[in-house]
Amino acid sequence: NAGVTQTPKFRVLKTGQSMTLLCAQDMNHEYMYWYRQDPGMGLRLIHYSVGEGTTAKGEVPDGYNVSRLKKQNFLLGLESAAPSQTSVYFCAINRPGNTEAFFGQGTRLTVV
Amino acid sequence: GQQLNQSPQSMFIQEGEDVSMNCTSSSIFNTWLWYKQDPGEGPVLLIALYKAGELTSNGRLTAQFGITRKDSFLNISASIPSDVGIYFCAGQQGSFFGNEKLTFGTGTRLTIIP
Repeated sequence: NAGVTQTPKFRVLKTGQSMTLLCAQDMNHEYMYWYRQDPGMGLRLIHYSVGEGTTAKGEVPDGYNVSRLKKQNFLLGLESAAPSQTSVYFCAINRPGNTEAFFGQGTRLTVV
Repeated sequence: GQQLNQSPQSMFIQEGEDVSMNCTSSSIFNTWLWYKQDPGEGPVLLIALYKAGELTSNGRLTAQFGITRKDSFLNISASIPSDVGIYFCAGQQGSFFGNEKLTFGTGTRLTIIP
């Protein structure tokens, strides 16, 4: 998990509130990803970025937005949180052609 | 969305036993990866497989890239308490720039009975 820092680590939101999760990396990797992990579902890709200023939708993008204004940071936003967004969120990074993805320690989000 | 089918979902074994788990897909992958996740942590890479038929070891762990490129297997020999955790397979198609994103299996939870 070295080099990938997620903040916050825990958060409880009320339905309808908004928040932003931050992923910061110091490994100078081009690619950054946001996954969510739910019991029995493995990790599912929400959005990803192949470089500064670019983002793309993953498997489950609805209800989330992302931005990559700086190469080292990838932000995941929830504009209006819903209980279905209760999950553990993981950020990951890797390089072009390099297959090892490094993960952050996760953010546990509860929406009540 | 696409996910990999991983089995078994959970395993309860005694210390010292060997463990086998597998992952299958309806799609071809060019790379197969095996990750382990400890409680409260992010996944950590155990083994990477890059060629169909490849057999790779990392200590007590051995993984194989299926010849059809649609499956992979992980074996753990002589399990020890620190092997407890969730094991994920992941596939990567990686056939063109920007397609290195991973598709994950649903995980195998390994518990060691004292």
